[in-house]
Amino acid sequence: EAGVAQSPRYKIIEKRQSVAFWCNPISGHATLYWYQQILGQGPKLLIQFQNNGVVDDSQLPKDRFSAERLKGVDSTLKIQPAKLEDSAVYLCASSLFGVREQFFGPGTRLTVL
Amino acid sequence: AQSVTQLDSHVSVSEGTPVLLRCNYSSSYSPSLFWYVQHPNKGLQLLLKYTSAATLVKGINGFEAEFKKSETSFHLTKPSAHMSDAAEYFCVVSSNAGGTSYGKLTFGQGTILTVHP
Repeated sequence: EAGVAQSPRYKIIEKRQSVAFWCNPISGHATLYWYQQILGQGPKLLIQFQNNGVVDDSQLPKDRFSAERLKGVDSTLKIQPAKLEDSAVYLCASSLFGVREQFFGPGTRLTVL
Repeated sequence: AQSVTQLDSHVSVSEGTPVLLRCNYSSSYSPSLFWYVQHPNKGLQLLLKYTSAATLVKGINGFEAEFKKSETSFHLTKPSAHMSDAAEYFCVVSSNAGGTSYGKLTFGQGTILTVHP
């Protein structure tokens, strides 16, 4: 069974630029999550999708972050414009509907200069 | 509301000696608890999970954890450390509340395990 795929693995940008991350969850997983992991901290949930609907985006900085999950499969997370404090690893995870165990992708490490 | 406290940010052991990583949790509902491991530049991997069945949970690679409700703890142990165990470990609590909180994971700050030869 293929795992959660993410791209790119690494990204370096200047502050005020835009960036987008892509996630392909495990086939059949209805629930998809985006987390932000700042160095030295545990992952923090940014947004949760159930199929293509948003379940929880209470921690998403909506003035600069956006996410979508078209057709209930792949998802894209965008930051526009980026700030220095957005430097972090962005993790995507997926799970079967109603199941707590989440499977994580390798993450995208973002550096904002 | 739920939260997790990992009591040690760094733990250092010698190869072949026991490992103890400590975790305390807080949850308004009967929780599910997990331990995840993260090797450098790798994704998070589930080590084990507690979901209200047996209080002593066995996981992969010889790890186990014991759920102690009276102490609100879920410490991770391994009898004998191996060099390959060096990584960062996260204790995680999941809400069993209904609605949009169901299944939401809250991570601890992480414990970095170093294993010396």
